[in-house]
Amino acid sequence: EVQLVQSGAEVKKPGESLRISCKGSGYSFTSYWINWVRQMPGKGLEWMGRIDPSDSYTNYSPSFQGHVTISSDKSISTAYLQWSSLKASDTAMYYCARHPRYTNYFDYWGQGTLVTVSS
Amino acid sequence: QSVLTQPPSVSAAPGQKVTISCSGSSSNIGNNYVSWYQQLPGTAPKLLIYENNKRPSGIPDRFSGSKSGTSATLGITGLQTGDEADYYCGTWDSSLKVFGGGTKLTVL
Repeated sequence: EVQLVQSGAEVKKPGESLRISCKGSGYSFTSYWINWVRQMPGKGLEWMGRIDPSDSYTNYSPSFQGHVTISSDKSISTAYLQWSSLKASDTAMYYCARHPRYTNYFDYWGQGTLVTVSS
Repeated sequence: QSVLTQPPSVSAAPGQKVTISCSGSSSNIGNNYVSWYQQLPGTAPKLLIYENNKRPSGIPDRFSGSKSGTSATLGITGLQTGDEADYYCGTWDSSLKVFGGGTKLTVL
């Protein structure tokens, strides 16, 4: 069974750093891109960027470039989304989702990680 | 605002049919496949339609998709109360994934 399991909810203060994770199982982790999607409270889906776990190639939405870092460790089938200095506006639900190589649809999604940034 | 335009909300009675539109441009929908996602309240999005009109295993044939030019449409027939959710279209635009703003479906 294909699964993307994300790390648990986080509560952080502005200026703190954070890394959340997304662990894939039930499939060949390096055969699919992993994407990160933000959903702010009561709002729609926003694509942040993606990584090819086979070679760690990334591409980012211009809206998020420079604000977050996407990485992966193929030895443990895990992708990461990282912030070096959180802001209150980073408060949101974050989803990882995979898409098959040479296609453009997200066929499996993680359960989401809620990040709350508040002083 | 979103690159892809969807109506904020649609509604219909149980058993009826509803369509949700998704409008884009030649750089996104016009040159790429469209997918649709269903997000039930409090849950992660789920793939509903891919490559314009294909249904993943387990998605009932009450759900259908189509594309014409720079627009796409999701159709749902035989509406059920369990279909109440937010629906998003998605595609690619110059190696960037783009989503519509989402449409809230209310089954009256």
